[in-house]
Amino acid sequence: GQNIDQPTEMTATEGAIVQINCTYQTSGFNGLFWYQQHAGEAPTFLSYNVLDGLEEKGRFSSFLSRSKGYSYLLLKELQMKDSASYLCAVVRGGSQGNLIFGKGTKLSVKP
Amino acid sequence: DAGVTQSPTHLIKTRGQQVTLRCSPKSGHDTVSWYQQALGQGPQFIFQYYEEEERQRGNFPDRFSGHQFPNYSSELNVNALLLGDSALYLCASSTGTGKAWKTEAFFGQGTRLTVV
Repeated sequence: GQNIDQPTEMTATEGAIVQINCTYQTSGFNGLFWYQQHAGEAPTFLSYNVLDGLEEKGRFSSFLSRSKGYSYLLLKELQMKDSASYLCAVVRGGSQGNLIFGKGTKLSVKP
Repeated sequence: DAGVTQSPTHLIKTRGQQVTLRCSPKSGHDTVSWYQQALGQGPQFIFQYYEEEERQRGNFPDRFSGHQFPNYSSELNVNALLLGDSALYLCASSTGTGKAWKTEAFFGQGTRLTVV
């Protein structure tokens, strides 16, 4: 079956660092995406990992371990505008656009 | 570049009615995927269109159907609407199904469908 797990909610303080974890069990794997979604808006792309290791992009980093079925999104120097839902999505093998999403982690950044 | 555009942005329909949602992909993209996102949930894959054919389908009933036009734009049709069909419907565009993933999927703003 297909299963993607991530925490439902997290709270962090402005300026701090937060790590959002994602574990997955899917039939086939062609990469893992992290998206940010503000309430009522479309998901926007943050990162894509297909090989093991860390990808860094500004304040955001994403890590993947394919053998463990595990990824995390690291957000540094948190800002109030980072309050949003963060979606982990796995690309099923052999296709594009066919993403399996987790339920999302709602992050609240407090002053 | 206008990105992925969807219409309408909001829609209210009555149970049993039919609805058509529209999507224009990002310039240069030829693959369109549709997702349903219920409140508080992650998006769920409905189906994907490439070269005017449905290439993949998620676990949705036949009431959900679609079409892709020669200009790559796409429609999602839902027949015999149920209250449970109320959701945000997202369209995502990308390039070239079957090839290695090289570009992220771009999402439109979505259509908020409410069935009463």
